[in-house]
Amino acid sequence: TQLLEQSPQFLSIQEGENLTVYCNSSSVFSSLQWYRQEPGEGPVLLVTVVTGGEVKKLKRLTFQFGDARKDSSLHITAAQPGDTGLYLCAGAPSGAGGTSYGKLTFGQGTILTVHP
Amino acid sequence: EAGVVQSPRYKIIEKKQPVAFWCNPISGHNTLYWYRQNLGQGPELLIRYENEEAVDDSQLPKDRFSAERLKGVDSTLKIQPAELGDSAVYLCASSLGPGMGYEQYFGPGTRLTVT
Repeated sequence: TQLLEQSPQFLSIQEGENLTVYCNSSSVFSSLQWYRQEPGEGPVLLVTVVTGGEVKKLKRLTFQFGDARKDSSLHITAAQPGDTGLYLCAGAPSGAGGTSYGKLTFGQGTILTVHP
Repeated sequence: EAGVVQSPRYKIIEKKQPVAFWCNPISGHNTLYWYRQNLGQGPELLIRYENEEAVDDSQLPKDRFSAERLKGVDSTLKIQPAELGDSAVYLCASSLGPGMGYEQYFGPGTRLTVT
């Protein structure tokens, strides 16, 4: 069974601060996705990283996939209240075929609160 | 383009009652997923469809849960009878296919409260 552990579970910061959320596993993933979910809504895809060592930037958000494709991080620069939400990482299995094909493994999420 | 549509958005029922959730995926998306999400946790897959075929229902509690996707488009998830522990948000998601980078698009969910 592939597991993804996210840390920290909760993060409460002031507007303007920087933060990093981590997503770790002992398993290799073919790709990893980051989602943000606001209360009362479904998760919204932010980014997909595919290549080991890959770095993607989305405005103030920087996503990195570990070289071994077992871990990832999300860094937010100068956080704003609009960044508040549940951040989820999700990994796709590295092997094709079988029932695991197409099945994402989700981390338990990081609840981020940015205070004005 | 319309996103994934789910209804109802909220449902409150008494335990032992039946309940059904409906999902209409993004047009052209062959893969449909039903997830259950507890408060502050990540989604847990219940069932995955490729067109009308359920290809992964290993996490679906089959004694009380059932699902169907008759024409390979919209889908219904049913619980009968509901238990207190079924209170959660039920999310539907769709994707072009398992090979398309696994990028899934989620609906807003149905929040179920069992009293």
